[in-house]
Amino acid sequence: QKEVEQNSGPLSVPEGAIASLNCTYSDRGSQSFFWYRQYSGKSPELIMFIYSNGDKEDGRFTAQLNKASQYVSLLIRDSQPSDSATYLCAVKKSSGDKLTFGTGTRLAVRP
Amino acid sequence: ETGVTQTPRHLVMGMTNKKSLKCEQHLGHNAMYWYKQSAKKPLELMFVYNFKEQTENNSVPSRFSPECPNSSHLFLHLHTLQPEDSALYLCASSTANSPLHFGNGTRLTVT
Repeated sequence: QKEVEQNSGPLSVPEGAIASLNCTYSDRGSQSFFWYRQYSGKSPELIMFIYSNGDKEDGRFTAQLNKASQYVSLLIRDSQPSDSATYLCAVKKSSGDKLTFGTGTRLAVRP
Repeated sequence: ETGVTQTPRHLVMGMTNKKSLKCEQHLGHNAMYWYKQSAKKPLELMFVYNFKEQTENNSVPSRFSPECPNSSHLFLHLHTLQPEDSALYLCASSTANSPLHFGNGTRLTVT
C-alpha cells in the first residue's frame, strides 16, 4: 500500500466549477498535511496546510481533513484556467519528521 | 521570487562526467533537502541536513554525493551517472515546524 495515495488524473473541470482533489494516507499517526501546487516545469509551491480535523479555508481554497478515515482533500472554488497544474498531497508524522508525498493529481480547468 | 535558489536550471551531462548542483537558501532555515522527481513517481527524498549534519540518506547510490558546508548552502556532486538518473532535482529548506520551501530545481539529462 502506498503511503500517500492520489488519483493521477487528469481531473478536468469547466471554468467556474468546484474542483475536488482527494488524498488518502496509510499512517494513522500522521499529524500534518500539506497541499502543494506544481506547474509544469516548475517547483512545488505550498498552497495550504492543515493539522486539525475539519475544514480550513483560504480564499478559493478549502482543505478538509478526516483523520478517522485517513483522508485529506482540497477544494478549489470558482476554478480558473490558471489553476491547471499538478497538486501534490504531502503528509508528516511529527514536526521533525520527513514529508511523504503522493504522486500528484493533474488538474485541467477548461475555459 | 523563491528564497531557495538552485543552479544550474538545466544540465546535460555524459555518463563519464562529473558535475555539481548548487542550492542556496536565504530564509534562515536550519534544514536542507535534496529531492528527486521523476515522471509519474512521487517526490523521492534523497538527503537531509540539519544544522550542516546529514540526518538522512535514503539509500541513495554513491554516485550522488551531497555536501553541506553551512546551513545556507547545499551541493549535490554527481559522477558516473546513468540515463535513469535523468530527472528534476529539487532542493528545499525548512525549520522543524515550517513547511518545505522548494527551489526551482535543476532539470538533469544524462546522455
